[in-house]
Amino acid sequence: DAGVIQSPRHEVTEMGQEVTLRCKPISGHNSLFWYRQTMMRGLELLIYFNNNVPIDDSGMPEDRFSAKMPNASFSTLKIQPSEPRDSAVYFCASSTGRTGDLRGYTFGSGTRLTVV
Amino acid sequence: KQEVTQIPAALSVPEGENLVLNCSFTDSAIYNLQWFRQDPGKGLTSLLLIQSSQREQTSGRLNASLDKSSGRSTLYIAASQPGDSATYLCAVPNSGYALNFGKGTSLLVTP
Repeated sequence: DAGVIQSPRHEVTEMGQEVTLRCKPISGHNSLFWYRQTMMRGLELLIYFNNNVPIDDSGMPEDRFSAKMPNASFSTLKIQPSEPRDSAVYFCASSTGRTGDLRGYTFGSGTRLTVV
Repeated sequence: KQEVTQIPAALSVPEGENLVLNCSFTDSAIYNLQWFRQDPGKGLTSLLLIQSSQREQTSGRLNASLDKSSGRSTLYIAASQPGDSATYLCAVPNSGYALNFGKGTSLLVTP
């Protein structure tokens, strides 16, 4: 298994531009998570899906952020318009989805976003 | 809301030393707890998973303990090596499926 695959690995964009981050979870995992990591705040959950349905998006910072999971093998996180304060590393993770069960919780390598 | 705290934030030790990293959490009603390792510019790698019914887990030179009643976990690294240099994060699940992370302990093992 190739693990959780994220693209791109690095993204540099100008303020105001739209940014789309992509994630392919591990096959058979039915929960998918988007996290953001910054020096100041550490790792924060943005949103998670269970069986392709958004369950908790309370961590999404504002309306500029949106996430979709059109099928079990693909998810996107979109920022429009982007701002310098969005600069961070964005991680995608997937798991087997049983409540509180951390077994199989696997992270992708992350996308490092820089907004200038 | 579950709060996870890790102490110390940074640690530097000479090679060969045994060391302990600490993690505390505010809500003791957890299913399990997991320790991760993160190398610079990389993703997170799972090290040890402790179920709520367990008190400790071991993998090689790593030993993680869990005391739910006091809301604490420790990660013990024996005979540290320069290759152990990384950031170590502990995480506990919230009431749903997602993880709450501490901010990590940045470890440097010097030759």
